[in-house]
Order: sequence, then C-alpha cells, then structure tokens
Amino acid sequence: DAGVIQSPRHEVTEMGQEVTLRCKPISGHNSLFWYRQTMMRGLELLIYFNNNVPIDDSGMPEDRFSAKMPNASFSTLKIQPSEPRDSAVYFCASSLGPLRYFGPGTRLTVL
Amino acid sequence: AQSVTQPDIHITVSEGASLELRCNYSYGATPYLFWYVQSPGQGLQLLLKYFSGDTLVQGIKGFEAEFKRSQSSFNLRKPSVHWSDAAEYFCAVGGNRDDKIIFGKGTRLHILP
Repeated sequence: DAGVIQSPRHEVTEMGQEVTLRCKPISGHNSLFWYRQTMMRGLELLIYFNNNVPIDDSGMPEDRFSAKMPNASFSTLKIQPSEPRDSAVYFCASSLGPLRYFGPGTRLTVL
Repeated sequence: AQSVTQPDIHITVSEGASLELRCNYSYGATPYLFWYVQSPGQGLQLLLKYFSGDTLVQGIKGFEAEFKRSQSSFNLRKPSVHWSDAAEYFCAVGGNRDDKIIFGKGTRLHILP
C-alpha cells in the first residue's frame, strides 16, 4: 500500500499565478479531505469529499480556492490567483471510516 | 460546540524521562478520540485511537492514552521518551457518524539529550 500520494512536494510560485495541488487517495477509501497547516492557524479542514462528491466546503477560504474529485483515485486543489498569504503546507487525507490517513503534504510558497 | 484544547504549545523533557501531553475536548456525544504525531516535513501519523471499551488504550511507539469522561480528557503518556520522539503531537475528536474530525493546535515536543 503506497499510502496517500501528493504532488508536488514543494511548490514555489509568484503572486497571481495559478497553483494546482494533486492527491491520490488510498485505494478503497471513500472519503478525501484537504487540510491547510500554518503556524498561526494550525490544521484547518478546507473541504472534504465522500464518494467523489463535495460534502462540506465551508473551510475554503475564498473563491480563489477550488477543489475537484473527478474520480475515486484523484483530487485537485487549485488556487487562482495565488497570494503570499496562501503560503502553507497543504495536506490531503483519505479514510474509510473515522481514521484519517495523511499524505506527506505539499509545501507551498507564494512570493 | 465541538473543540479540542491542547494547553501546552511546547514541552521539553529529557531523554529517558516520562511524558504526559494534555488534551481536553468538548463534544456533544460519545467521542472518538485520536492522537497523531507529525515529524518534521512529514504528514500526520496515527499513534492511537479510542472508540469504546477499555479507557486505557495502547498505541505505537510505546505510547498510551487514557480516556477520562468525567474530565473530558484524553492525555497521552509515555514512560520513557527517546530522542526520536521529538515531533509535534495532535489530539483530535470526532464521532462515529461524523466525517469531520477536529484537531487541536498541537504540542511540540523537544527532547534534551
């Protein structure tokens, strides 16, 4: 089992650019979660999907953020346009039940 | 409202000493409780969980936690820490029908040689 896979691991971009983060959940898991981690705010849930359907996106900070899950094995989190305050580590997690399995994260730096 | 409080942002202990990390929660029903560990540059890894039954639960890496309903607490303990235990530890609470799990702000553990 490869675990949750995220790409890229690191992303450095300039303000105003579009950023796309990718996640492959563990095979067989039916829920997928996107989190953002910063020193100031800790770990925040942005959005989660169940059976590929977005269930709760109340944590998405602004319309600049969007997430999709076109199939059970792939999800994207897009930021357009990016801003320096979006700099954070973004985690994807998947689950089948209450246990979350986290990916290694994508460290995003927006200059 | 559901919440998790980890009152200690940083904790420093000497290698070989015992450890207790505090966690208090607020949850309207019977909670599911978790402790996760995050090493630098890594994702969160599950240490242990409580769903029901014995209130003292054993986890990986020699950690244990005790659920105390009367105190709304789920403190993490280890009898003797190792330098490799230096990491950030997160307590979390959720329910059996709730896809949302709430995480605490974390406690960063430092180990003195």
